[in-house]
Amino acid sequence: GAGVSQSPRYKVAKRGQDVALRCDPISGHVSLFWYQQALGQGPEFLTYFQNEAQLDKSGLPSDRFFAERPEGSVSTLKIQRTQQEDSAVYLCASSQTEPGTAASQNTGELFFGEGSRLTVL
Amino acid sequence: AQSVTQLDSHVSVSEGTPVLLRCNYSSSYSPSLFWYVQHPNKGLQLLLKYTSAATLVKGINGFEAEFKKSETSFHLTKPSAHMSDAAEYFCVVSDRGNTGFQKLVFGTGTRLLVSP
Repeated sequence: GAGVSQSPRYKVAKRGQDVALRCDPISGHVSLFWYQQALGQGPEFLTYFQNEAQLDKSGLPSDRFFAERPEGSVSTLKIQRTQQEDSAVYLCASSQTEPGTAASQNTGELFFGEGSRLTVL
Repeated sequence: AQSVTQLDSHVSVSEGTPVLLRCNYSSSYSPSLFWYVQHPNKGLQLLLKYTSAATLVKGINGFEAEFKKSETSFHLTKPSAHMSDAAEYFCVVSDRGNTGFQKLVFGTGTRLLVSP
C-alpha cells in the first residue's frame, strides 16, 4: 500500500483480555518501530525490528507485551491480560534504511500509521 | 540519554500571525532533531529535520526551525498561520538505541490553536 496501515483502528477490551494489533509497513521498508502514546503525551518507544530481527525491546513495559515480525514485513504487537494502564494509542512506523549506511547513521524519515487506539475497561 | 522539552503545552494564534513553538534539547553529542505534526485521527508527519548541515532548516507548509547550539534550542516558526495548521506538534531528538539504530525520543507536544 501507499502508507503504513494499522488495524484495528479502535479496540475496546475488558481487563484481562488478550489483544493483537497489526501493522503493515510500507513495502520494502527494512526498519519497523512500535510506539505507545498515552493520552496527552508524546509517543514513547516500545520496540524495533530490522527485517525479522527484533533488535531492541527495551521499551516494552512488561512481559505481557510481545511483538513479532516473522517474515520481515507485517508485525503484530500482542498484549496479554490487558490492564487499564495499557489504554493508549499504539503507533507503528517504518523506514527504509539507506543502502550502504550503517544503522547508526540512519536518520531517514519514519513513516507513521494512524495508530490503534486501545481502551481497556 | 537524549531528551527534548517543549515549553508550551498550548499556543493560540490568530490566522495570518506568526507562529513560534519552542523546544529545548539535551544531548551528549551532536543531535539529530525533528519536528513532527499530528492532525486529529491522522498519522504523525515529518515537518522538517536537522542533521548537522545548515542550522536553519526549511520544512513543508512554510515551517522552518533554527538549530542554536549555544541555547540548546530548536524552535519551530512560521511567518503566517493558516487555519489548517491547527494540530499537535512534537519536537523530537534522535537517540542511539542499544544496537546503534536511531530511535526517536518525543517531547510532550504543543497543541497549536488557530483562530479566524
